[in-house]
Amino acid sequence: AQKITQTQPGMFVQEKEAVTLDCTYDTSDPSYGLFWYKQPSSGEMIFLIYQGSYDQQNATEGRYSLNFQKARKSANLVISASQLGDSAMYFCAMREPASGGSYIPTFGRGTSLIVHP
Amino acid sequence: GAGVSQTPSNKVTEKGKYVELRCDPISGHTALYWYRQSLGQGPEFLIYFQGTGAADDSGLPNDRFFAVRPEGSVSTLKIQRTERGDSAVYLCASQPPGAGTGELFFGEGSRLTVL
Repeated sequence: AQKITQTQPGMFVQEKEAVTLDCTYDTSDPSYGLFWYKQPSSGEMIFLIYQGSYDQQNATEGRYSLNFQKARKSANLVISASQLGDSAMYFCAMREPASGGSYIPTFGRGTSLIVHP
Repeated sequence: GAGVSQTPSNKVTEKGKYVELRCDPISGHTALYWYRQSLGQGPEFLIYFQGTGAADDSGLPNDRFFAVRPEGSVSTLKIQRTERGDSAVYLCASQPPGAGTGELFFGEGSRLTVL
């Protein structure tokens, strides 16, 4: 079974509008962490935002916020006031305890975001 | 800069050849990860080092793949008898010590093409 599901292969948004990128996850462990990364055409993965499973409030980092709905196992990324430079691939990832005590982040297939002027 | 450095950025080789990909992590980062990213996919975990030892190598697809980190800093991913299916971008990431969020700091990747 997929640990991380991103159902939107591509999204389009007008500059200055807000956009939501969907992510659902699957885990039976109560302790886990959720991440969003941005991958521009240069290829480097850039960390955007983190949400711990025990965090009471939704994480925010500047224009990025994470809509964390634990009961639905959903961790959608909201980008407010989109900019042309936001055009990139976006990956949702989850870190959970693995065998041997390590925490290995698992990534979804990504969503391509294109911001139109 | 002081980010994660990966070399080569591009490597074209012939089927059956041996390849080495190098990763120089951020200074002071104790954990190092290798991922493989095929076209249109997300990064797929290969191996994780904590210091010099491989703490988890469950993602290595077969025994043609091997990675080392002899001094707890630079790591080399080695692929023997390359196959066309090995073509992908190989991403390296490092992580600082301590709890924190566990965010990974990635390099720009090494694009491997096996002809």
